[in-house]
Amino acid sequence: DVKVTQSSRYLVKRTGEKVFLECVQDMDHENMFWYRQDPGLGLRLIYFSYDVKMKEKGDIPEGYSVSREKKERFSLILESASTNQTSMYLCASSLWGGPEAFFGQGTRLTVV
Amino acid sequence: AQSVTQLDSQVPVFEEAPVELRCNYSSSVSVYLFWYVQYPNQGLQLLLKYLSGSTLVKGINGFEAEFNKSQTSFHLRKPSVHISDTAEYFCAVSRPQGGSQGNLIFGKGTKLSVKP
Repeated sequence: DVKVTQSSRYLVKRTGEKVFLECVQDMDHENMFWYRQDPGLGLRLIYFSYDVKMKEKGDIPEGYSVSREKKERFSLILESASTNQTSMYLCASSLWGGPEAFFGQGTRLTVV
Repeated sequence: AQSVTQLDSQVPVFEEAPVELRCNYSSSVSVYLFWYVQYPNQGLQLLLKYLSGSTLVKGINGFEAEFNKSQTSFHLRKPSVHISDTAEYFCAVSRPQGGSQGNLIFGKGTKLSVKP
């Protein structure tokens, strides 16, 4: 089974902190994605990557950056966390040309 | 630009009753269509997908969906629901970009609540 693992299920951080959300997939997928999920808004794409060291902005990249140094790992970085970044964050991966995306369990981030 | 509209934010239904969750999309190009389910405090799990071929798609847990190109719809149906189907359901379309089917545009979700 494909497994996408997010390092934390729940995180509480303070305003202004630098926050790292980690995602690892074990199926050698080329594509990796970070989504943000908010009630009533569905999922919105933050950043994605089609290859190592490659990144592309999604629909809501402001306030975020990403890093992909290895094929299996994709990190989301909040340079200076703010309360409006309190949300559920979901990582996903897929094969290049593959039929579906596989999602992690999500990280619920609270910024206080 | 592509978009996905899920017409109902909440759908309450009694156990063993049929259910339909509605999804409409807009796109100027051909797309792939997906339904995902999210149980409380979980990630998303793929229910079914339409890539090409037969417009009636069968998925897991007894769900099916029908792709209607003329009406730009992809409604999800189940003939008899169970309590365990209580979850949030998301319709999504893929962006026609490269070879990735994980680059998705999601609807805002429909919360299905199955009552005994």
